Amino acid sequence: ETGVTQTPRHLVMGMTNKKSLKCEQHLGHNAMYWYKQSAKKPLELMFVYNFKEQTENNSVPSRFSPECPNSSHLFLHLHTLQPEDSALYLCASSQEAAANTGELFFGEGSRLTVL
Amino acid sequence: AQRVTQPEKLLSVFKGAPVELKCNYSYSGSPELFWYVQYSRQRLQLLLRHISRESIKGFTADLNKGETSFHLKKPFAQEEDSAMYYCALIPDSSYKLIFGSGTRLLVRP
Repeated sequence: ETGVTQTPRHLVMGMTNKKSLKCEQHLGHNAMYWYKQSAKKPLELMFVYNFKEQTENNSVPSRFSPECPNSSHLFLHLHTLQPEDSALYLCASSQEAAANTGELFFGEGSRLTVL
Repeated sequence: AQRVTQPEKLLSVFKGAPVELKCNYSYSGSPELFWYVQYSRQRLQLLLRHISRESIKGFTADLNKGETSFHLKKPFAQEEDSAMYYCALIPDSSYKLIFGSGTRLLVRP
């Protein structure tokens, strides 16, 4: 499969659950991103990884824990979330993070609902 | 702080009418600016970037540093242009793509 693939597409979890979102890209890119899209809010950058190293943590609460085992895979581990964390979580990749051309390739998103 | 503002949540026009989607930014340096588009049931994708000075699908956008604006324009809207449009900026020497809240364009037949 080509492009950026996110799983699961939909996730419902309780506040005490632990779950993970997965992102995989088959574009040969070296940078990967997590964005949060809430209703009526701009897309919020959460994390950036460049060559597997985290280069940006945009003041994200510790209940969100990213993991990038290699340049093709990115995870977002979720633990003791709050209802206000319900949102669409978008993964994206780009050739590299530095000197970015601005072209990010997005996945379809994982719709998270926290009960 | 860097910010991108899209004042219109919804813009509705008739087919063949001109379209202008507004985008203003706040940043003191030299940003790079972009327009992204999301068609129904499709992924968010890059439409155009100011540095390329390109016209994509009939859309153009001019960076006006004096007014800190990067409005997206098309002289004659088509129904297939209906989508969500997001303006975005990268602060210089950065890799953070900062998005506006988006404008839904609806082109009526």
